[in-house]
Amino acid sequence: DAGVIQSPRHEVTEMGQEVTLRCKPISGHNSLFWYRQTMMRGLELLIYFNNNVPIDDSGMPEDRFSAKMPNASFSTLKIQPSEPRDSAVYFCASRSRTGGEWYTEAFFGQGTRLTVV
Amino acid sequence: SQQGEEDPQALSIQEGENATMNCSYKTSINNLQWYRQNSGRGLVHLILIRSNEREKHSGRLRVTLDTSKKSSSLLITASRAADTASYFCAMNSGNTPLVFGKGTRLSVIA
Repeated sequence: DAGVIQSPRHEVTEMGQEVTLRCKPISGHNSLFWYRQTMMRGLELLIYFNNNVPIDDSGMPEDRFSAKMPNASFSTLKIQPSEPRDSAVYFCASRSRTGGEWYTEAFFGQGTRLTVV
Repeated sequence: SQQGEEDPQALSIQEGENATMNCSYKTSINNLQWYRQNSGRGLVHLILIRSNEREKHSGRLRVTLDTSKKSSSLLITASRAADTASYFCAMNSGNTPLVFGKGTRLSVIA
């Protein structure tokens, strides 16, 4: 398996533009997470899905952020409109369920470095 | 879900020395995991220790867990320059997502 795949790796956009980040989790994994990392705030959990269903989006900073998981192999994180303070590295991670419990390790993608100018 | 707190925030050692990082948390857990992040990359899982375990080894890594003190430590023995990275702990409490602290930045000087 190629691991968790994120695209694009880098994105530079102008303030006000729509940004869409993409993630392909590891095949067979039931849970998907979106994180945002900045120097000031560290690694923040934005939203997570179990079996394609959003479970907790309390970490999504504002209504400008939305995430979808239309099927088990694809998820998007959209920012509309984007602002300079959204500049960060966005990570997607996935993990599987073993023995009925979510005890397993998470696998991270390489991240998307977003710069909003 | 709860967030762990790593200590120290930064650590600088000479190659060959041991590095110890600590993690504290607040509520009961099923397991605790340690991750490493190299600059500009995603987090990579290092080791998982279950709540009924007290110590675990993996190569040069040694992890301890004290559930009575709600703390864990990660020891890297005979450190190498390639161990330079940030290290994070994360706790699993049932069906909850992994939440990470700010991490410990380790610098190993050759």
